[in-house]
Amino acid sequence: NAGVMQNPRHLVRRRGQEARLRCSPMKGHSHVYWYRQLPEEGLKFMVYLQKENIIDESGMPKERFSAEFPKEGPSILRIQQVVRGDSAAYFCASSPKYSLYNEQFFGPGTRLTVL
Amino acid sequence: AQTVTQSQPEMSVQEAETVTLSCTYDTSENNYYLFWYKQPPSRQMILVIRQEAYKQQNATENRFSVNFQKAAKSFSLKISDSQLGDTAMYFCAFMKQGEYGNKLVFGAGTILRVKS
Repeated sequence: NAGVMQNPRHLVRRRGQEARLRCSPMKGHSHVYWYRQLPEEGLKFMVYLQKENIIDESGMPKERFSAEFPKEGPSILRIQQVVRGDSAAYFCASSPKYSLYNEQFFGPGTRLTVL
Repeated sequence: AQTVTQSQPEMSVQEAETVTLSCTYDTSENNYYLFWYKQPPSRQMILVIRQEAYKQQNATENRFSVNFQKAAKSFSLKISDSQLGDTAMYFCAFMKQGEYGNKLVFGAGTILRVKS
């Protein structure tokens, strides 16, 4: 059973460009979470999605950031008009619909660098 | 809102010795989970150990154990017989218990260096 997949692993964008980060959850997992890790900091929650639904987006910046988890295909975190402050590692985690401990399984992360 | 505090930015320990990493949290919830995650230089997040708040018994996983003090809202991680491979950033995390999945709230992390 493959783990959580994220691609690309590294992404370089110039200021003003768009960044698209992809996350394929573990097989059978229907919950996806996105977290951001700024340099020298802990992970901060951004958004929690189920298939075709955003459940909790309380950690998402109000502008330029959006996320989706379509019925088919990976979850996408989209950052429009990137700025230098968006440079960070973005982690995706997934969990099954029913879980005794709500354990989240993390992907390897995407490191975004904005030039 | 919940907060998690790790007051030790960096720790070091000699190989084969024991080290304890501190974590405190603030919440008004009664039912929740606590976790310790390890992040080695590869940046992969690895679950080390979990604790359910309703359990009084401290969790253990091989060389890793916790000291969970619910009233004091304290959740420390003890690593026994430290190994070079334990060198990593360690994050304490909190999760509310609920019907649906819930977000993890992380502390700022403690860098642990194991010296030979």
